[in-house]
Amino acid sequence: NAGVTQTPKFQVLKTGQSMTLQCAQDMNHNSMYWYRQDPGMGLRLIYYSASEGTTDKGEVPNGYNVSRLNKREFSLRLESAAPSQTSVYFCASETGTARGGYTFGSGTRLTVV
Amino acid sequence: AQSVAQPEDQVNVAEGNPLTVKCTYSVSGNPYLFWYVQYPNRGLQFLLKYITGDNLVKGSYGFEAEFNKSQTSFHLKKPSALVSDSALYFCAVKNTGGFKTIFGAGTRLFVKA
Repeated sequence: NAGVTQTPKFQVLKTGQSMTLQCAQDMNHNSMYWYRQDPGMGLRLIYYSASEGTTDKGEVPNGYNVSRLNKREFSLRLESAAPSQTSVYFCASETGTARGGYTFGSGTRLTVV
Repeated sequence: AQSVAQPEDQVNVAEGNPLTVKCTYSVSGNPYLFWYVQYPNRGLQFLLKYITGDNLVKGSYGFEAEFNKSQTSFHLKKPSALVSDSALYFCAVKNTGGFKTIFGAGTRLFVKA
């Protein structure tokens, strides 16, 4: 029972570099989400995908892009990393009925220098 | 707009004593309310949720939460705290029919032996 798998777990980038965070779930969930966690600010929604083929902006989408590759996979891309994007990133999924709780991945700790 | 407030950055309790972690929310329409827990260097885990019905909701690890519509609160409680309950706790809200879950800033619970 893998649940939600995120890769990589850790990453250090130089300012201006690009990278893609990968997320996959094996629970046949419809909805998937990307959050960032910063001290004292809780989790802030970056982008979400309510169902396969759709994506929408969350609270803090600037500097990010996403792709819902198929029902299982939802990737987050940083085109030109900035120090302000240093954070812990979490992917989550849910059934999409709006009544369920999220299942979270273990997170990616990203440092931009 | 949805919002969640966790007024305490940290809660300290002695092992065996009851604990309360406070949460208030603002949402249009009927809310779906959630509590999540994050242990050190781990992802978030779902604890419990309120959707409708009984105002007292029971969840994992002996935790429960009380929904109070008039006070727009959803406080997390446990009758007898354990040292192993020490973690970061997040309250979250979603409006009926919505896909976006908004998280509070988190409350760190410290249980002393």
